[in-house]
Amino acid sequence: DAKTTQPTSMDCAEGRAANLPCNHSTISGNEYVYWYRQIHSQGPQYIIHGLKNNETNEMASLIITEDRKSSTLILPHATLRDTAVYYCIVRPNSGNTPLVFGKGTRLSVIA
Amino acid sequence: GAVVSQHPSWVICKSGTSVKIECRSLDFQATTMFWYRQFPKQSLMLMATSNEGSKATYEQGVEKDKFLINHASLTLSTLTVTSAHPEDSSFYICSARPGTGVTGELFFGEGSRLTVL
Repeated sequence: DAKTTQPTSMDCAEGRAANLPCNHSTISGNEYVYWYRQIHSQGPQYIIHGLKNNETNEMASLIITEDRKSSTLILPHATLRDTAVYYCIVRPNSGNTPLVFGKGTRLSVIA
Repeated sequence: GAVVSQHPSWVICKSGTSVKIECRSLDFQATTMFWYRQFPKQSLMLMATSNEGSKATYEQGVEKDKFLINHASLTLSTLTVTSAHPEDSSFYICSARPGTGVTGELFFGEGSRLTVL
């Protein structure tokens, strides 16, 4: 079972920042937070991951609370092509384990 | 990033026939690959873990005799849906992580959409 809770859906205006929350209150000390997204009829695409520090790359920023029980994925300037289902996943940092997907958040970017 | 490719992208077959789906890691080697299945408007469900040179490990409820997995090389895993039925119609996705590494992101194929008539 997925160890994360995300809102079912969100809307965001094009050009604005999209902030996607995720709760992972039972996260263990050795578990990372991963974010993936899936555009319709495609395989999931990696976005970003982190352990406890905030992370930023060319796609997004990841803000993890100090107690690590929740995080927020930020798409700084959402475009129509960012419309997708976004999955927040926690995964241990040991063992070549698969990702267990929850239901994710369906983000709709609106023009 | 690393590239995982699936073939075919989509396939339509008659009930009772078998269908093979290939998953290749194009620019890295993977001792382990994972197979997922996704029904419409649902999330990805892990079906099995494919191990190079050994038997696959199946998740509870997934029939190993129906979904045959072969991982004959470090860059290729195949999923064969045997005696397919309409309820097997789904989006099948494979994934892999470079090398024997245990950290880092998992890369996914483009998916293969199976429709059984």
